Amino acid sequence: GAGVSQSPRYKVAKRGQDVALRCDPISGHVSLFWYQQALGQGPEFLTYFQNEAQLDKSGLPSDRFFAERPEGSVSTLKIQRTQQEDSAVYLCASSLEWGRHNEQFFGPGTRLTVL
Amino acid sequence: KNEVEQSPQNLTAQEGEFITINCSYSVGISALHWLQQHPGGGIVSLFMLSSGKKKHGRLIATINIQEKHSSLHITASHPRDSAVYICAVRGSNYKLTFGKGTLLTVNP
Repeated sequence: GAGVSQSPRYKVAKRGQDVALRCDPISGHVSLFWYQQALGQGPEFLTYFQNEAQLDKSGLPSDRFFAERPEGSVSTLKIQRTQQEDSAVYLCASSLEWGRHNEQFFGPGTRLTVL
Repeated sequence: KNEVEQSPQNLTAQEGEFITINCSYSVGISALHWLQQHPGGGIVSLFMLSSGKKKHGRLIATINIQEKHSSLHITASHPRDSAVYICAVRGSNYKLTFGKGTLLTVNP
């Protein structure tokens, strides 16, 4: 595909369930980012991958959040034992290379609702 | 930490009006992004700029590095321009810091 894709687009989970959110970056893009966007707020950084290496996970809100990108392409964000405060849109973005001047291309997001 | 402030938070306009959305940030940056987000949709990058002015169709983005301020202008606004417009800045590394967004509604 031409752009970043994410699946599922919508996810409803019961409190305590585990969820897995998938991101397919643009083919060949080295850098991959995950963001969390709460309702009415701007996105906030969660974690960053360069190829398969997770170089920064400083934005992950708790140890219930885990991200991986084992082969340097597709990435999965996993949330264990979901809580209501995890309800948000989770955005994935990719860029061609690492670097300050590389544009990030965003996916459509996954809207997670925890009941 | 770089704080990003956008104004206004909400903006309602009539079709055809000239729109201005403002963004101010607190520390030095390497680039500033203007992004568009439709309800239920993902984010589309409109502009990435580090100086001066860029134009794409009816959209114009300007940045004043000394004043730490950027503006997004929409000329001849149309109902399809209705969306949330988000300003994001990048410092010395890869991280983006986002504003809360401006909800624009253009009425026919």
